Amino acid sequence: QKEVEQDPGPLSVPEGAIVSLNCTYSNSAFQYFMWYRQYSRKGPELLMYTYSSGNKEDGRFTAQVDKSSKYISLFIRDSQPSDSATYLCAMNHQGGKLIFGQGTELSVKP
Amino acid sequence: GAVVSQHPSRVICKSGTSVKIECRSLDFQATTMFWYRQFPKQSLMLMATSNEGSKATYEQGVEKDKFLINHASLTLSTLTVTSAHPEDSSFYICSAEDGSYRTGNTIYFGEGSWLTVV
Repeated sequence: QKEVEQDPGPLSVPEGAIVSLNCTYSNSAFQYFMWYRQYSRKGPELLMYTYSSGNKEDGRFTAQVDKSSKYISLFIRDSQPSDSATYLCAMNHQGGKLIFGQGTELSVKP
Repeated sequence: GAVVSQHPSRVICKSGTSVKIECRSLDFQATTMFWYRQFPKQSLMLMATSNEGSKATYEQGVEKDKFLINHASLTLSTLTVTSAHPEDSSFYICSAEDGSYRTGNTIYFGEGSWLTVV
């Protein structure tokens, strides 16, 4: 079993839809949770960073961490065609390696 | 926001030659930098962890003599692919950890370098 599981998709939604991206993990020691967005042929860009459990909101993006269920989510409201990219979850604990999910390919259709 | 600069963004080299990729943290000091490799439609694969002033720690299966990593300062790490072969053609990405109090354990990525070995 992988330490971090993420559905690779592809996920296709119409413009304006609410997108829900999720990852599950097995290591209860993880404390830092991140979401990265990667456009084709580009390096990953940090979108959201959360320490421990809870919600964090930034514009149209909301990150949720549920440590009891070992489950994290990224919600995108009012999705735009420019949101079309691969979204990677990543997590680690203090001093530990960053473990990535496989990435979910999102396509937002106009 | 924090920026990590990676250079070159694209490089083509002949088989058997060596190529160097630079990774710089532009507005923070990075005691730790990471080098990843990414194959098409796959996630990032960690190659090695680089700590300033010490030898890099390589992941299992990564040839340390082939992928030379130097972390000479708190803002610069380099990856040199020695005696490159076509199978080394890939997307190489570096990241740098900003461990300052203001951000916690946040890691920022460079834009990546496309290496093509012909």
